[in-house]
Amino acid sequence: EAQVTQNPRYLITVTGKKLTVTCSQNMNHEYMSWYRQDPGLGLRQIYYSMNVEVTDKGDVPEGYKVSRKEKRNFPLILESPSPNQTSLYFCASRGTENTEAFFGQGTRLTVV
Amino acid sequence: DQQVKQNSPSLSVQEGRISILNCDYTNSMFDYFLWYKKYPAEGPTFLISISSIKDKNEDGRFTVFLNKSAKHLSLHIVPSQPGDSAVYFCAASAQGTDKLIFGTGTRLQVFP
Repeated sequence: EAQVTQNPRYLITVTGKKLTVTCSQNMNHEYMSWYRQDPGLGLRQIYYSMNVEVTDKGDVPEGYKVSRKEKRNFPLILESPSPNQTSLYFCASRGTENTEAFFGQGTRLTVV
Repeated sequence: DQQVKQNSPSLSVQEGRISILNCDYTNSMFDYFLWYKKYPAEGPTFLISISSIKDKNEDGRFTVFLNKSAKHLSLHIVPSQPGDSAVYFCAASAQGTDKLIFGTGTRLQVFP
């Protein structure tokens, strides 16, 4: 089954404690992205990657890091989480431009 | 600056009637547009898309219309069903990037 898998689904952490949210896709897609969803703001792109070792900033990259060492994986790293990073996070992948993006189930992160 | 706008946060429609969800954009470089549906606790799922070379695309009960001169697109759902109750996001992208820009979403409620 074609899917994008994120882990964990839920995470509560404390300010400053580094964390990683994993994302994996099994569709051999070139493009992968991370989004955050906040009330009234919709989905905002954090980072995206158009291929292995190629990443670029989206609209809200501050406080986040990503890496794309393999085609299937695109982890999101918060080196020093802060409460304003409390949000619902989605990973997505696309095969090419002008095709639909497939989304993971989401990770609800709470930073206290 | 919000490049993709959904000015109606919510819409309520009776079952069997038409639902019309609207979306406006400001960036004339956008050439591919998508609609996503999102249920609570799930990732967005792709619904329908349209390329800028077309002005209409239809898939079953769902039709998307694109008016490039007005920078406006709309999603028509006919007939509306209670299972269509969800949040709908429109999104746009420009050729050569993986930047998918989302609107803030419209919550559709279809009542019996």
